[in-house]
Amino acid sequence: QSALTQPASVSGSPGQSITISCTGTSSDVGGYNSVSWYQQHPGKAPKLMIYDVTNRPSGVSSRFSGSKSGNTASLTISGLLTEDEADYYCSSYTSSRTYVFGTGTKVTVL
Amino acid sequence: EVQLVESGGGLVQPGGSLRLSCAASGFTFSNSWMSWVRLAPGKGLEWVAKWVANINQDGTEKNYVDSVKGRFTISRDNAKNSLSLQMDSLRAEDTAVYYCAREGSGWFFDQWGQGTLVTVSS
Repeated sequence: QSALTQPASVSGSPGQSITISCTGTSSDVGGYNSVSWYQQHPGKAPKLMIYDVTNRPSGVSSRFSGSKSGNTASLTISGLLTEDEADYYCSSYTSSRTYVFGTGTKVTVL
Repeated sequence: EVQLVESGGGLVQPGGSLRLSCAASGFTFSNSWMSWVRLAPGKGLEWVAKWVANINQDGTEKNYVDSVKGRFTISRDNAKNSLSLQMDSLRAEDTAVYYCAREGSGWFFDQWGQGTLVTVSS
């Protein structure tokens, strides 16, 4: 049950696009189309941004998109806004019928 | 409106026990799959435990992260729309904000509570 690997930090200027990677194994990310992404502002509850690799819940901006290739999933934020500054976590269902989260990425808007 | 409200957090000594509760409203709790997720200071989110309801209409399934197996117990009371987490033999590394989360129509968490802080310290 090792955490999925994410970069510790990613930064970009307003209007730019950034991509956050999430690397697991064939027992989690690579084995299921069940990767989800969460945004968390300090002191707040996590918010679902992407589910089932590519799907956006109602109300989430189309600036957020997800993809997956092999054991690595990615979250792309386009047209970066100051409000996007937050921590982001990926998550995947696992072959052990459990869940695993990523190590987390702090997004900074320069 | 879906609401999840956690309670029961606090300061406890190492080796002690604490019981967290999550009051659910705004959806059919009895048919929902629920989990506990925690956020330790300076660390990332960690899934802790889940209760999967009505698998094949013949039972339930409880799973735990390895670090809490044998110490934590997840339970629910459908009549009271409540999820609980009994935490025994607490360790300093269990210090975290604990969130109650609803699993959506798939393997993801679509609703979260605001969290309750558990501090394990002497």
